[in-house]
Amino acid sequence: DAGITQSPRHKVTETGTPVTLRCHQTENHRYMYWYRQDPGHGLRLIHYSYGVKDTDKGEVSDGYSVSRSKTEDFLLTLESATSSQTSVYFCAISDFGSETQYFGPGTRLLVL
Amino acid sequence: RKEVEQDPGPFNVPEGATVAFNCTYSNSASQSFFWYRQDCRKEPKLLMSVYSSGNEDGRFTAQLNRASQYISLLIRDSKLSDSATYLCAVNTGGFKTIFGAGTRLFVKA
Repeated sequence: DAGITQSPRHKVTETGTPVTLRCHQTENHRYMYWYRQDPGHGLRLIHYSYGVKDTDKGEVSDGYSVSRSKTEDFLLTLESATSSQTSVYFCAISDFGSETQYFGPGTRLLVL
Repeated sequence: RKEVEQDPGPFNVPEGATVAFNCTYSNSASQSFFWYRQDCRKEPKLLMSVYSSGNEDGRFTAQLNRASQYISLLIRDSKLSDSATYLCAVNTGGFKTIFGAGTRLFVKA
């Protein structure tokens, strides 16, 4: 299994609070991604990173920001959590020259 | 229309059966194709890439039909342990990989 961890694994928060999710990899892969997975929608890309401090928006980026200050860490921040952001969040990585993505174990977020 | 579509199932099959899933995609410029397996409350894991010539890995066979814009996954001699959700994924270039919503498979004794 690829060396990807996510923290926290579960979180319950209240509407309006900021939330930061962390993805950490030990594979030294260049590319990192944040997805959310909801019933009926599959995995949807929120943001991705193609290098340290290089990030871009995905399909559903509104309400989310990201940062990548080190190769191994990719942070996802919900500036002001809303109930619509209740979801399972997966981090993924891929190596240079490959489209194959490997996923972390996920974070289950509940926004009340 | 979704860019990648799958029959959500569920497919309920007995052990030993052969089952096939299809996945259609809308972008004719799509370049790379994959099947992932996702167990309940777990992360997706790569099952196999799909090559133009088709490819096989044990009981699993994947095929690509560019003319009709679909990929397929065939599972032969189904095992109880094959019960999972199968996601197809299509890379349309660069960082854009679109995932289907998944097809649920239940294999029963």
